[in-house]
Amino acid sequence: ETGVTQTPRHLVMGMTNKKSLKCEQHLGHNAMYWYKQSAKKPLELMFVYNFKEQTENNSVPSRFSPECPNSSHLFLHLHTLQPEDSALYLCASSQDLQETPYEQYFGPGTRLTVT
Amino acid sequence: AQSVAQPEDQVNVAEGNPLTVKCTYSVSGNPYLFWYVQYPNRGLQFLLKYITGDNLVKGSYGFEAEFNKSQTSFHLKKPSALVSDSALYFCAVRDGGPGNTPLVFGKGTRLSVIA
Repeated sequence: ETGVTQTPRHLVMGMTNKKSLKCEQHLGHNAMYWYKQSAKKPLELMFVYNFKEQTENNSVPSRFSPECPNSSHLFLHLHTLQPEDSALYLCASSQDLQETPYEQYFGPGTRLTVT
Repeated sequence: AQSVAQPEDQVNVAEGNPLTVKCTYSVSGNPYLFWYVQYPNRGLQFLLKYITGDNLVKGSYGFEAEFNKSQTSFHLKKPSALVSDSALYFCAVRDGGPGNTPLVFGKGTRLSVIA
């Protein structure tokens, strides 16, 4: 999947660590998203950026901190996480946010394990 | 509030048989409906969407979905299943009413096609 890339693909971190997830899209899109995917639960939207501006923060704990320096890059900074934060973190992008929604393109995800 | 339900956690079908993956939704305005597929260790891939127009929507890999307003359903179908169709399928909805509401995903249905 060269459209949306995510690094690292796997991450194991202790509860006191600080780490960052990176997402890059090569599609010329202007909207980017972070989702959390846990087993047997619906996909949870975390953050949305449109033209580098945050438009949605879905009541995400402050230990998750997003950053969008430009329309092609999105980061998720992690600190003092809890074991229940272990999940697959998916990044997605779409053309932009409009009344009529565009489809989203997803990266392969980062599998995060908090020990 | 918008919501989507996928009543089946698992669907099993023999190769060559038709398949159906069910989805029902609830919105206050007109719905925008999507199907995505997720293969192991991959992100979600867009299959098809309904915005307006014909109730039968054709998508990638031979999949189609039928929008039924009276039954508030958007079931995914394929006339002849392949083993390679085995994956996790997600239905998603966005309320077409006022405002720019985010996409809401179902919990997913695991499709297993048996040779």
